[in-house]
Amino acid sequence: DTGVSQNPRHKITKRGQNVTFRCDPISEHNRLYWYRQTLGQGPEFLTYFQNEAQLEKSRLLSDRFSAERPKGSFSTLEIQRTEQGDSAMYLCASSIRDRGEKLFFGSGTQLSVL
Amino acid sequence: QKEVEQDPGPLSVPEGAIVSLNCTYSNSAFQYFMWYRQYSRKGPELLMYTYSSGNKEDGRFTAQVDKSSKYISLFIRDSQPSDSATYLCAMSAGTGGGADGLTFGKGTHLIIQP
Repeated sequence: DTGVSQNPRHKITKRGQNVTFRCDPISEHNRLYWYRQTLGQGPEFLTYFQNEAQLEKSRLLSDRFSAERPKGSFSTLEIQRTEQGDSAMYLCASSIRDRGEKLFFGSGTQLSVL
Repeated sequence: QKEVEQDPGPLSVPEGAIVSLNCTYSNSAFQYFMWYRQYSRKGPELLMYTYSSGNKEDGRFTAQVDKSSKYISLFIRDSQPSDSATYLCAMSAGTGGGADGLTFGKGTHLIIQP
């Protein structure tokens, strides 16, 4: 499978716990994005990397969120001290740097904070 | 007014019908237009990708862009029950990644009745 891979698919946690998600992009893609999607809404941009550099973070991304992409390969998204409002689908996407972003998404990680 | 407006539906049609899905937008800088299909609990899948105004056809799917009216459409011919999904429009000015990258509509939930 050469698509974008995300793990875990589902995560249930208690409020206040830390969680970490992983994304493995398509191998030749140098851009990697994190989006968040809640029920009935389109995906909302959180942050993106070009190779290992994190180039932009959305205002939606509070200090409790941190993302890394060591060596420009896989990426992790960590949420510290989770809150019920963090419950959402977290989507990872990758693309080849190009004008007009053609993004390819993974299946997402569904987070439920109890 | 949101940058991208999309009727959330649900839109229910009988099998074999022609389906028309639409989005309007306000940002005249958008020049790349995409349609994504998203099945329940899955990530968005890129369906159609067009640049600037005009039509693009791929099998049973046709994408239309009218930049003068800031209006895009996706037509599905000979609709099948397997087409039942949420369809997200997305657009970009093509100036770079991140928040200047893709802006999504909320998605239209489509139901094809057998």
